[in-house]
Amino acid sequence: KAGVTQTPRYLIKTRGQQVTLSCSPISGHRSVSWYQQTPGQGLQFLFEYFSETQRNKGNFPGRFSGRQFSNSRSEMNVSTLELGDSALYLCASRFEGVGYEQYFGPGTRLTVT
Amino acid sequence: TQLLEQSPQFLSIQEGENLTVYCNSSSVFSSLQWYRQEPGEGPVLLVTVVTGGEVKKLKRLTFQFGDARKDSSLHITAAQPGDTGLYLCAGEISNNNDMRFGAGTRLTVKP
Repeated sequence: KAGVTQTPRYLIKTRGQQVTLSCSPISGHRSVSWYQQTPGQGLQFLFEYFSETQRNKGNFPGRFSGRQFSNSRSEMNVSTLELGDSALYLCASRFEGVGYEQYFGPGTRLTVT
Repeated sequence: TQLLEQSPQFLSIQEGENLTVYCNSSSVFSSLQWYRQEPGEGPVLLVTVVTGGEVKKLKRLTFQFGDARKDSSLHITAAQPGDTGLYLCAGEISNNNDMRFGAGTRLTVKP
């Protein structure tokens, strides 16, 4: 089975712009979660989507949004980028079952200048 | 304040030594996972523990879930340079579909 894929792997944007990141989960996984990872804050939960619905949301401003399509692929959007949004954005998928076993993609490294 | 506290934050040891990494919380978790992450890559799942008191072994790695399901430990025997990485614990908040991560332990094993 192919793993979780994320595109693009690297991205450089200017403050004030917006960005869209994409995630394709493992086949059969209907849950997709997004995380932001920075050296100072570690891994922070952004949101989780399941069957095209946002099921859970972390403590991030409304500039961070996402969606999930019928094939479980997910996108994350950040509007009005700030310097502090520079981070590794990770997507993880899982198959509903016992134990919250998530499988992560390689991440998208976003740099905001 | 992190919901999951990992200790130590940094650990540098020689090849062949043993080590233990801890993950503690005041919250109860439905399940707890350990991941290893290398620079520039996503975390890789090592193990999931579900039952209080559970012990799982993966070759030289031993994982334990506390009886009260609030804490966990990872013990590595005879560490090797290939064990170098960031070790993260993550807990599933009971009945909440919410996953929280610890800040991680950065392990360096010197040859």
